[in-house]
Order: sequence, then structure tokens, then C-alpha cells
Amino acid sequence: AQSVTQLGSHVSVSEGALVLLRCNYSSSVPPYLFWYVQYPNQGLQLLLKYTSAATLVKGINGFEAEFKKSETSFHLTKPSAHMSDAAEYFCAVSPPGSYIPTFGRGTSLIVHP
Amino acid sequence: DVKVTQSSRYLVKRTGEKVFLECVQDMDHENMFWYRQDPGLGLRLIYFSYDVKMKEKGDIPEGYSVSREKKERFSLILESASTNQTSMYLCASSGTGYNSPLHFGNGTRLTVT
Repeated sequence: AQSVTQLGSHVSVSEGALVLLRCNYSSSVPPYLFWYVQYPNQGLQLLLKYTSAATLVKGINGFEAEFKKSETSFHLTKPSAHMSDAAEYFCAVSPPGSYIPTFGRGTSLIVHP
Repeated sequence: DVKVTQSSRYLVKRTGEKVFLECVQDMDHENMFWYRQDPGLGLRLIYFSYDVKMKEKGDIPEGYSVSREKKERFSLILESASTNQTSMYLCASSGTGYNSPLHFGNGTRLTVT
């Protein structure tokens, strides 16, 4: 079965610092990969998805993620954190041929002024 | 923009009550999902539906059932609510294409006392 590991349940950064949220998956065949964000008292919304057209994927709000097949990783980054980035971030993976994603446990991003 | 609407934001029910959580999407999506979200556990799939009257059990279906009589509506039913079903419930939908992202409602926070 597919599994998704997000390292660190909480990540704390200063405003303006680099954001790095880690996601690793277990699959011998590259799956479909997604990052979602959840702001307080809201549902999840899509940040970006990997489409196999390019290994570096750009998403909304200045976030991007790089697919590394050799490392089975899809880490999310943003060069400069903003206070409004404070939220819960989820990595999700769907095996090829499946509509059903498996979600990681989430990483809470805390941004300090 | 896709809209997924969950009928209640907050719900308080008593142990043993039958509970209905309703979800409606307006984009003619084939796939609909019910997830449960608990702190530290991420999102866990309860049920998935890929067409009217069609459903598949997810990872934690025990104590739940679902109904999909119309394409736009997907209901989650707790036959006899228990305190361990106190949680945030998220409904989502997605279109055709294995890399179609999920579109989420804002969630229903259910408390069973």
C-alpha cells in the first residue's frame, strides 16, 4: 500500500526565511503527487500538483515543489515566508490508475514575525 | 470555480443518535469522498463513490455508511453515533483523470456527547 511521510509535524520559521516542508512516498512507480494547504476553519485547497511535464512545479502563493524520483521525494519550498503562510500543509499521493489519494499526516507551518 | 458545500459547520449529537452529514458539489464531478480529520492523524478515507449508487470502503468505514442517489450529493451516515466519532469530517469531489485534484468543502465539526 502507498504511504506518505511528512517529516516534522511542526515547522517554525521567521518571516522572510526559507520554507522547506518535506514529503517522501513509498512507491516503485512514480505516483501522482499533490500539495494542499488548510487555513484555520477551512477545508483543504490545492497548492500544486506534479504532472510529469517538469520536475519543478510552481504553485500558488509563491510555493514550488521538486519531484526527485531517485529520492522518492516531493518537498515543498518557498524562498521567503510570509505571516499569511501560517497553515497546515498536506502532501498527497495517488498510485497510477487510482482516483484515491493517500494523505500525509500534515505539517503545521508557524511563521514568527 | 468548483464549490463543495457541506450542510453544517458544527453539529452536536448525543450518543446513539443517527446522524446525517450532507455534501453537495456543483461541478458534475464523478468522484466524491468522505474523509475524517483528527489531530496528528491527517486525513483518513471513510468512503469513496465513483458514480451514482456506487461506493467503495476506505480505510476506516466501520460505524459509517454512505448514500449517493444523485450525482451531486453524497451523504455520510452514522447509524448510531459514539463519542469516538467526534471529529472533523471533510467532503471532497474530483473529476475524470487520475491526476485530477480534490476539491474540498469547509468541513463539519461533529461532537458526540
